[in-house]
Amino acid sequence: TQLLEQSPQFLSIQEGENLTVYCNSSSVFSSLQWYRQEPGEGPVLLVTVVTGGEVKKLKRLTFQFGDARKDSSLHITAAQPGDTGLYLCAGAGGSNYKLTFGKGTLLTVNP
Amino acid sequence: DAGVIQSPRHEVTEMGQEVTLRCKPISGHNSLFWYRQTMMRGLELLIYFNNNVPIDDSGMPEDRFSAKMPNASFSTLKIQPSEPRDSAVYFCASSFGDRETQYFGPGTRLLVL
Repeated sequence: TQLLEQSPQFLSIQEGENLTVYCNSSSVFSSLQWYRQEPGEGPVLLVTVVTGGEVKKLKRLTFQFGDARKDSSLHITAAQPGDTGLYLCAGAGGSNYKLTFGKGTLLTVNP
Repeated sequence: DAGVIQSPRHEVTEMGQEVTLRCKPISGHNSLFWYRQTMMRGLELLIYFNNNVPIDDSGMPEDRFSAKMPNASFSTLKIQPSEPRDSAVYFCASSFGDRETQYFGPGTRLLVL
């Protein structure tokens, strides 16, 4: 069974601060996705990383896939209250339709 | 375009009752997924359909759960009889191809008393 551990589980910061959340596994994934979920809504895909060592940027968000394709990180620069939400990572194995989700990091950015 | 539509958005029922959750995928998508989200276990895949055919139901907890997809624009997830431990948020997601981006609906929040 492939497991994804996300840390921290909860994070509360002030507007303007930087933060990094982590997604770790002992398994290798063919790709890894990051989602953001807002209260009362379903997860929305932010990015997919495929290549080991890959770095993708989405405005103030930077995503990195580990060299061994077992872990990933999400860094947010100058966090804003609109960044508040549950950040989920999900790994795809051999059968790419089957995503293994972490339990998420609940981020609160206070104004 | 409308996204994935789920109904009802909230359901409160008593133990032993039958519960039916409904999903309308995005038009043109041929893959449909049912997920369950709880605090303890996170987001788990229950069943996956491709071209209306169930491909992987290994995540379905037990025989009380069943899912159907009679056509490309409609799917149901039924729990009979429901139990308190079934309380969770149930999401439907669809994609154009099983390796493409999955688009999630807003979920059905189920509470079984």
